[in-house]
Amino acid sequence: QVQLVESGGGVVQPGRSLRLSCAASGFTFSSYGMHWVRQAPGKGLEWVAVIWYDGSNKYYADSVKGRFTISRDNSKNTLYLQMNSLRAEDTAVYYCARDLGRAAAGMFRWGQGTLVTVSS
Amino acid sequence: SYVLTQPPSVSVAPGKTARITCGGNNIGSKSVHWYQQKPGQAPVLVIYYDSDRPSGIPERFSGSNSGNTATLTISRVEAGDEADYYCQVWDSSSDHRAVFGGGTKLTVL
Repeated sequence: QVQLVESGGGVVQPGRSLRLSCAASGFTFSSYGMHWVRQAPGKGLEWVAVIWYDGSNKYYADSVKGRFTISRDNSKNTLYLQMNSLRAEDTAVYYCARDLGRAAAGMFRWGQGTLVTVSS
Repeated sequence: SYVLTQPPSVSVAPGKTARITCGGNNIGSKSVHWYQQKPGQAPVLVIYYDSDRPSGIPERFSGSNSGNTATLTISRVEAGDEADYYCQVWDSSSDHRAVFGGGTKLTVL
């Protein structure tokens, strides 16, 4: 079955960087778009970024554009999120999610999430 | 930018029908997906492409989408349906991005 396992979260100071990973299994990773979605404590879901199945297209939320970079390694079945210039408002649980298809539509299956806390 | 509006809360008695709305400008022209999130858990897709149900989701869950409103309907509500529900669309009209509604807390009385 589809399984997504995030890692790389933790406590980081404002202005520093962090890289999240999402290990995928149970499906043909290279055939699906992948998303990062975050949820601040006690808040709703906020979409962060998406990458097409082949990495040819990437799109970002305005709140992270220019600071975050989504990437994937289809040979390793792994999705990444490089987060630079982190701010307190980036504190959230970060979920990776597999898309319904090759590009971007909806999130078929979600990982359990990894918590990122930005604090001095 | 495209905005989805959900009621913050909906309450329903067990065995009754719950309807959760998601409003957006001409949302009927977009595909709507719905997610259920229970406390401390990751979201789960319950309806995709307006009205399709993933495997394992009870038939009690259904969806519709027309005009400016999409609706998630939960029939014969059970205590285990108590959760937050989010609608979502992909907006490619002005910028390519996923948009979530603010979420609706379903309370089973």
